Amino acid sequence: DQQVKQNSPSLSVQEGRISILNCDYTNSMFDYFLWYKKYPAEGPTFLISISSIKDKNEDGRFTVFLNKSAKHLSLHIVPSQPGDSAVYFCAASANAGGTSYGKLTFGQGTILTVHP
Amino acid sequence: GAGVSQTPSNKVTEKGKYVELRCDPISGHTALYWYRQSLGQGPEFLIYFQGTGAADDSGLPNDRFFAVRPEGSVSTLKIQRTERGDSAVYLCASSLRGRAGEAFFGQGTRLTVV
Repeated sequence: DQQVKQNSPSLSVQEGRISILNCDYTNSMFDYFLWYKKYPAEGPTFLISISSIKDKNEDGRFTVFLNKSAKHLSLHIVPSQPGDSAVYFCAASANAGGTSYGKLTFGQGTILTVHP
Repeated sequence: GAGVSQTPSNKVTEKGKYVELRCDPISGHTALYWYRQSLGQGPEFLIYFQGTGAADDSGLPNDRFFAVRPEGSVSTLKIQRTERGDSAVYLCASSLRGRAGEAFFGQGTRLTVV
């Protein structure tokens, strides 16, 4: 059972336009959500996160939106740049009893291609 | 180095053999994680260390997999009697205590079992 799903395997956008990557989750215990970016032959790199007490978090060109009632989050990249081309993973964690955020559950990833 | 270092970067082994994968975390990071990424999938949690102890090993698929972190720094993931289904990229990450969600990942070890 895939608790975090990214239903779009790939996305192609023009440079300068908005990229919107989507993620759905099923586990209502998840309370912290993250986006990672991954280039080939490298490990994932943390991009941006959001706590379940918020519905939006912004960092430069990157904004993450959280809709808890729909169990849906999205990453917006504006404007998109060719260097943004990579695989994007969403991930979630549950702060079980305050012990840790140690365990992340990842989606399958979306390959973003930004064309010049 | 400043980042998480994993060795080897690539490992090819025969079915049934034993392998060890090493992770050097960022200095000062007390939390260390192992994940496994199969082709076309996202990373899958294996085990989480806080210091020397395994705080959560619920992701280890079976008793052929074992991980240690004896001095609270370097960690070794050990796989016995490897199977072709163990082929994947094994990722290690580390973070400051309590900030697991912003863990820094290594480049991974690509394990191929033939």
